[in-house]
Amino acid sequence: GAGVSQSPRYKVAKRGQDVALRCDPISGHVSLFWYQQALGQGPEFLTYFQNEAQLDKSGLPSDRFFAERPEGSVSTLKIQRTQQEDSAVYLCASSLVKLGGPNEQFFGPGTRLTVL
Amino acid sequence: DAKTTQPTSMDCAEGRAANLPCNHSTISGNEYVYWYRQIHSQGPQYIIHGLKNNETNEMASLIITEDRKSSTLILPHATLRDTAVYYCIVRVALTSGSRLTFGEGTQLTVNP
Repeated sequence: GAGVSQSPRYKVAKRGQDVALRCDPISGHVSLFWYQQALGQGPEFLTYFQNEAQLDKSGLPSDRFFAERPEGSVSTLKIQRTQQEDSAVYLCASSLVKLGGPNEQFFGPGTRLTVL
Repeated sequence: DAKTTQPTSMDCAEGRAANLPCNHSTISGNEYVYWYRQIHSQGPQYIIHGLKNNETNEMASLIITEDRKSSTLILPHATLRDTAVYYCIVRVALTSGSRLTFGEGTQLTVNP
């Protein structure tokens, strides 16, 4: 595809439900990032994949958050037992790995999660 | 990654140059300055980056001071579509796994 796509664009969940958010990166992009953006704030890093390997998950706020990228392309961010504080926009970004950079990250439109 | 400081908001008249400042006084020698912007309800978009030399591309120019402690993003002829939040980020660049650490950015409003 032409860019990073995410689905669904909007998700409403009742507190305690599990949700799964999907990211389709740009074809051929080795690196994939997830960010969380609360209302009025800048995005905050959650986790990073290089191909299928999750190399950094230091930003995941709790063990209710889980991300995977089993075949090194599509990624899923799963949130178990959602809480109201999980309400945010979840952004996915992908990047080439190119010696010399700039290795800019290309972002999808995000999934807006609202937990009631 | 080094912390950056930006004004919360700025206004600019359509057709005029928009100059967005950023302070990054604790930047390290191997850190680059990146600029991204986020138009309402969209994901952030890469604009430009630089190390110590001034840079220009089709979107903007980046002026970095000689001591590298501050920089200015210049949109030479701002349009209404340039209204967005602009983020200045310093980052150990050219590595694939380097996360972006966003601050709160500058809300630029371009007025007709």
